[in-house]
Amino acid sequence: RKEVEQDPGPFNVPEGATVAFNCTYSNSASQSFFWYRQDCRKEPKLLMSVYSSGNEDGRFTAQLNRASQYISLLIRDSKLSDSATYLCVVLKGGGADGLTFGKGTHLIIQP
Amino acid sequence: GAVVSQHPSWVICKSGTSVKIECRSLDFQATTMFWYRQFPKQSLMLMATSNEGSKATYEQGVEKDKFLINHASLTLSTLTVTSAHPEDSSFYICSAEARQDWPYGYTFGSGTRLTVV
Repeated sequence: RKEVEQDPGPFNVPEGATVAFNCTYSNSASQSFFWYRQDCRKEPKLLMSVYSSGNEDGRFTAQLNRASQYISLLIRDSKLSDSATYLCVVLKGGGADGLTFGKGTHLIIQP
Repeated sequence: GAVVSQHPSWVICKSGTSVKIECRSLDFQATTMFWYRQFPKQSLMLMATSNEGSKATYEQGVEKDKFLINHASLTLSTLTVTSAHPEDSSFYICSAEARQDWPYGYTFGSGTRLTVV
């Protein structure tokens, strides 16, 4: 089983739609979780951290279910500029560990 | 927010030559930096963890003699791809943990696209 699994998509959704991505991780000792956004041929940029209580930042909502080892990202009122690859990222230990990335979910917002 | 500067952005080199990539943390100190590699349509894979003042820690399957890492100061880590071959062509990205930013994450450099011909 891969350490971090995501549906690669692509997801084609119309502008204004709500779309959700899921991610599962295999290491139950994982401590921190993030969603990153990566545009084509660019570096990843932090979108948001993910907390057990769930957190929201504008149109984006992230949730973590530790029991199921499952992370989700919800995008409401999608914009054309949301088109990108969304990376589910897990940190196993403390600050000395690097990040483990999923392969990413490719989102295409259509006008 | 924290910024990590990475140079060069892209490089084309001949097979057998060596290429050095620099990663600098701007306005913050990074005791630890990470080097990743991303092949087309693949996820980023951690290559090595660069520790200031000590030897780097390499992930399984990454040749330490081929990918030389130097982290001589708290703001600079370098990755040298020695005797590069076409199969080393990839997107190399460094990152550092920016704990002074909250919610913190790992800030990435802009990446270096290496093409070996």
